[in-house]
Amino acid sequence: DVKVTQSSRYLVKRTGEKVFLECVQDMDHENMFWYRQDPGLGLRLIYFSYDVKMKEKGDIPEGYSVSREKKERFSLILESASTNQTSMYLCASSLSGTNWVEQFFGPGTRLTVL
Amino acid sequence: DQQVKQNSPSLSVQEGRISILNCDYTNSMFDYFLWYKKYPAEGPTFLISISSIKDKNEDGRFTVFLNKSAKHLSLHIVPSQPGDSAVYFCAASEGSNYQLIWGAGTKLIIKP
Repeated sequence: DVKVTQSSRYLVKRTGEKVFLECVQDMDHENMFWYRQDPGLGLRLIYFSYDVKMKEKGDIPEGYSVSREKKERFSLILESASTNQTSMYLCASSLSGTNWVEQFFGPGTRLTVL
Repeated sequence: DQQVKQNSPSLSVQEGRISILNCDYTNSMFDYFLWYKKYPAEGPTFLISISSIKDKNEDGRFTVFLNKSAKHLSLHIVPSQPGDSAVYFCAASEGSNYQLIWGAGTKLIIKP
């Protein structure tokens, strides 16, 4: 059974802290994605990676960075957390080629920044 | 400016009847459309998709219809079952740029 896991279900951090969100997939997928989900806005793409050490900006990359040192792991980093980064963060992975649209998601991390 | 819109935040349907979820889009360059389903405390899961060269795709109880002239797609669930209660997201893509554009979601409630 395919699986995407995220390091935390809930996280509470203070303004200005550096925050790491980890995502691991066991499907040998080439592509990995980070989204945030906010009420009334659906999912918005922050960053994606199509290969190890490769990354591309999505729609809302400001305030975030990512790291992909191994194929199975994709990390989202909030360099200096702010209250407007309070959100649900979802990681996903997919195969390359035409199958990239079928994405497999982790359960999400609900981050609260105080 | 949202390119993919789901105008109904919620929908309530009797068990056994048809559920119809709607999605409108503004970008005529979108060439692939998907529906994802999300249960509470879980990530979204892929449900069904349709290419812009088709106007209908069916998978068991789920059918997606695409009306390109109206820039509208809909998901039909027949018959609706209690396990279908979830949030449904519509998403669209343009080419292979790895970016899905998502609607805000519609919460479907199936009443017994």
